[in-house]
Amino acid sequence: DGGITQSPKYLFRKEGQNVTLSCEQNLNHDAMYWYRQDPGQGLRLIYYSQIVNDFQKGDIAEGYSVSREKKESFPLTVTSAQKNPTAFYLCASTDRRTDTQYFGPGTRLTVL
Amino acid sequence: QKEVEQDPGPLSVPEGAIVSLNCTYSNSAFQYFMWYRQYSRKGPELLMYTYSSGNKEDGRFTAQVDKSSKYISLFIRDSQPSDSATYLCAMSYAGNNRKLIWGLGTSLGVNP
Repeated sequence: DGGITQSPKYLFRKEGQNVTLSCEQNLNHDAMYWYRQDPGQGLRLIYYSQIVNDFQKGDIAEGYSVSREKKESFPLTVTSAQKNPTAFYLCASTDRRTDTQYFGPGTRLTVL
Repeated sequence: QKEVEQDPGPLSVPEGAIVSLNCTYSNSAFQYFMWYRQYSRKGPELLMYTYSSGNKEDGRFTAQVDKSSKYISLFIRDSQPSDSATYLCAMSYAGNNRKLIWGLGTSLGVNP
């Protein structure tokens, strides 16, 4: 089955630690995205990548970093510089024919 | 003013009711319009996709786009308790790096 996987489903982090969230897709999509979702604030774009070895900042990139070394993979690192990292993180990829995005199941990050 | 406005609700209806969900937008360049459904603690899933103006029907769901009024709608006929979820509208235009502009989502509850 084609789709997007994210791991882990739940992640707990102590303050001051960096953590990396995994996102893998086998849909052969070129573009991938990371969003953050908080209650009442909708989806906010963190980073996006249209092709391998290239990525751009979204609306709330501060305190986050990404890499895109393979077409299938787009990991997100939440650094200790992110002041309020507790949130639900969603990864997506795009069908270039329609601009529709397909989402993974999400990772819920909690900072203790 | 946000580019895309969506009433967050919550909206509560009895089972079997017709539900109307709406978004307004300000950017006349938008060409691609989508509706996503998101269950609690899950990733959004694509429900309907429409290019430019017009109607599109898929089972109990109908999507409408009125570009002259900058208004899109999603209708759900014979609503079921399983339709209880948050519904997000999203839209994009060519040349926007395939980024979607999102509404905040409307929370819908269908009561048996």
